[in-house]
Amino acid sequence: QITLKESGPTLVKPTQTLTLTCTFSGFSLSTRGVGVGWIRQPPGKALEWLALIYWDDDKRYRSSLKSRLTITKDTSKNQVVLTMTNMDPVDTATYYCARIGMVRGPYLDYWGQGTLVTVSS
Amino acid sequence: DIQMTQSPSSLSASVGDRVTITCRASQGIANYLAWFQQKPGTAPKSLIYGASTLQSGVPSKFSGSGSGTDFTLTINSLQPEDFATYYCQQYNAYPITFGQGTRLEIK
Repeated sequence: QITLKESGPTLVKPTQTLTLTCTFSGFSLSTRGVGVGWIRQPPGKALEWLALIYWDDDKRYRSSLKSRLTITKDTSKNQVVLTMTNMDPVDTATYYCARIGMVRGPYLDYWGQGTLVTVSS
Repeated sequence: DIQMTQSPSSLSASVGDRVTITCRASQGIANYLAWFQQKPGTAPKSLIYGASTLQSGVPSKFSGSGSGTDFTLTINSLQPEDFATYYCQQYNAYPITFGQGTRLEIK
């Protein structure tokens, strides 16, 4: 059974750095072709892809946020960490992590439950 | 960036109806198209990938078609649990992009 779960602060202040952890089970990030991505969804709005990391440490970022994002993996702990610097109230959203499935292309097949992050002073 | 445009933005239908949602990409994406269902307060659930392949465990009442720039999601015999918001997503090129969503409501 594949599961993912996001964890991190629910409230951050403007200009602070957000660190989110995705802890997963049921698959390994050392398996060829596998990856984990991060997606966010502001309240009442659509989904927005942020970043992903593959089994071979290949990393991709949303270009408009690239200067603020860092994604890393710890294969032994089954975790992927996303950091986002210089948080702003417009970054208030539910943040999801999702697995990239074993098909051609970065298809996000299994998702975590999401974690709501509010940016406010 | 590839823009994904869904239509309609909202749709009212009755239990038992068949509905179709369309998704258009601003440039060709071959068949690198996925559909997701999202209910309020929950994470998106994957339904279809490769434009037409059902994700494991998804009932056959859901079907997808299309290639290139135009895609459709069809849901047969609507049941109360099908009323949700549906998103298309392209994964042919970075950045991965989603449509704005189609809200399916009970008439």
